[in-house]
Amino acid sequence: KNQVEQSPQSLIILEGKNCTLQCNYTVSPFSNLRWYKQDTGRGPVSLTIMTFSENTKSNGRYTATLDADTKQSSLHITASQLSDSASYICVVSDRGSTLGRLYFGRGTQLTVWP
Amino acid sequence: EADIYQTPRYLVIGTGKKITLECSQTMGHDKMYWYQQDPGMELHLIHYSYGVNSTEKGDLSSESTVSRIRTEHFPLTLESARPSHTSQYLCASSGRYEQYFGPGTRLTVT
Repeated sequence: KNQVEQSPQSLIILEGKNCTLQCNYTVSPFSNLRWYKQDTGRGPVSLTIMTFSENTKSNGRYTATLDADTKQSSLHITASQLSDSASYICVVSDRGSTLGRLYFGRGTQLTVWP
Repeated sequence: EADIYQTPRYLVIGTGKKITLECSQTMGHDKMYWYQQDPGMELHLIHYSYGVNSTEKGDLSSESTVSRIRTEHFPLTLESARPSHTSQYLCASSGRYEQYFGPGTRLTVT
């Protein structure tokens, strides 16, 4: 069964600290993996997208890594800010079509305290 | 910021009413989607369209219907709203590699 599991479910950190969110997936065949940020009451916004051949991708203070062999990904946030408080969703696409079927994780709810 | 819009953003309505959630995009995307999301849960695909006059049901069974008469417009209709329909509804469209989401409609049926 194709699944995407994220951990931790929720996380609280102090402003300025770093954190790492995890994503494990069983989707096969694999096409790409995306990380989205979803603010409360808003739609998800894309942070990074990685294909099979990419190990790491950065977007400002966000750095995503991918290990396609172990089917694991992580999202590292550096020097957190209050505005980073949101849900971070891992989404994996299979290779059925150009966009593919999308499998969503339940997200990690990150809260950054001052 | 993606050019995809949803209205209304919030809706509180009584049981049995007919409602239409609007979604439009100005990116010329052929592919559009409707997702349902409950708090703390993953997004569930309820409808999708690969172009004008093309609509398909998604993974999650839904009593809603959709239409795609124009490329830019993908409305979702509930003929008779029930409390079980209370949820957040997210519309999305996709280009070749990226999927863009609208801001969502928070629906509450009393």
